[in-house]
Amino acid sequence: GDSVTQMEGPVTLSEEAFLTINCTYTATGYPSLFWYVQYPGEGLQLLLKATKADDKGSNKGFEATYRKETTSFHLEKGSVQVSDSAVYFCALSHQATQKLVFGQGTRLTINP
Amino acid sequence: EAQVTQNPRYLITVTGKKLTVTCSQNMNHEYMSWYRQDPGLGLRQIYYSMNVEVTDKGDVPEGYKVSRKEKRNFPLILESPSPNQTSLYFCASRMTGGTNGYTFGSGTRLTVV
Repeated sequence: GDSVTQMEGPVTLSEEAFLTINCTYTATGYPSLFWYVQYPGEGLQLLLKATKADDKGSNKGFEATYRKETTSFHLEKGSVQVSDSAVYFCALSHQATQKLVFGQGTRLTINP
Repeated sequence: EAQVTQNPRYLITVTGKKLTVTCSQNMNHEYMSWYRQDPGLGLRQIYYSMNVEVTDKGDVPEGYKVSRKEKRNFPLILESPSPNQTSLYFCASRMTGGTNGYTFGSGTRLTVV
């Protein structure tokens, strides 16, 4: 079945550092790919998405590119802020089934 | 404001005492789903519903029930809760079809003692 694997956390960085959180997936066909963010004590919010190969999703300075050849959707940000501290989830979904399959989440802490 | 509302936010209960977690959405979404979040396991789907009166099991349905009598509501029922159901629960909804992500509720932290 479909699955998503994220880099293990926690990840701790200093403010203004470059961020990469790796995400790879296993799926049949052409799923849509998502990054969700969960701030402390809150639900999940959609951060960005990509629906087909080579699409780049972007939002709030974060970017991720749908790489079909490497089955990856790595999250990047050029300069992180303390307010980016949260748990980040990579996920995929097939239009036919509607089901969202999540990775295990990566906790990110940004120190001032 | 478009949202998914879950209640309660926090609940401590005893083993075997039936409980219901409510979920309501105001976006006229057909598809609704329940997830549980556990450390190191990410979010796992419990049940989902493609539309009114249509529900189906997700990956971890044991010990849970759901109903979908109205489009906006999708309650999660634990008939006889056990300590292994202690978890953080999320309700989510989306339009059927398309490529948009889900809208999630704020979560219900359940502790079963």
